[in-house]
Amino acid sequence: DVKVTQSSRYLVKRTGEKVFLECVQDMDHENMFWYRQDPGLGLRLIYFSYDVKMKEKGDIPEGYSVSREKKERFSLILESASTNQTSMYLCASSWADRIYYGYTFGSGTRLTVV
Amino acid sequence: EDQVTQSPEALRLQEGESSSLNCSYTVSGLRGLFWYRQDPGKGPEFLFTLYSAGEEKEKERLKATLTKKESFLHITAPKPEDSATYLCAVPGLIQGAQKLVFGQGTRLTINP
Repeated sequence: DVKVTQSSRYLVKRTGEKVFLECVQDMDHENMFWYRQDPGLGLRLIYFSYDVKMKEKGDIPEGYSVSREKKERFSLILESASTNQTSMYLCASSWADRIYYGYTFGSGTRLTVV
Repeated sequence: EDQVTQSPEALRLQEGESSSLNCSYTVSGLRGLFWYRQDPGKGPEFLFTLYSAGEEKEKERLKATLTKKESFLHITAPKPEDSATYLCAVPGLIQGAQKLVFGQGTRLTINP
């Protein structure tokens, strides 16, 4: 069964901490994505990557950075966590040339910044 | 700009009461429409891809249909386990990557 695995289901961090969210996929997908999901705001794209070491800003990149050193791994970094970054974070992956298969999502990481 | 609008925001039904969820979209050249199911606290789970107007897909009590402007997710004789948020999405296209544009979702509750 194909999988996207997010390293933590729940995280609690303090304001100002540097936070790493890790995502690994085992499907050899070229594209990987980070979204955050908040009530009433839906899914909002933070960053995406279409190849190793390639990254593009999404709709809400401020306060975040990403790293993709290997094809299967895509990390989201909160440089200095703030309370307004409390959210559900979702990683997804997809093939570049077979969009009709859609995305495969991870289970999500519920991050609370206190 | 690609946009996806889902209605209603929330829907409560009694077990066995059939209904439909709507997803309307504006895209510059449709390259498919996707339906996902999301349970509380979990990531979205893929249900269907519809690729062209007139296409229909079925899975258990769910049937998705597609026209040139909208898609419907029909739920026939639902059960409590069908309670979830249903998301639809269409592909945009940015700089060689393929970004799905998601609707806000419809939160469906089926009461026993």
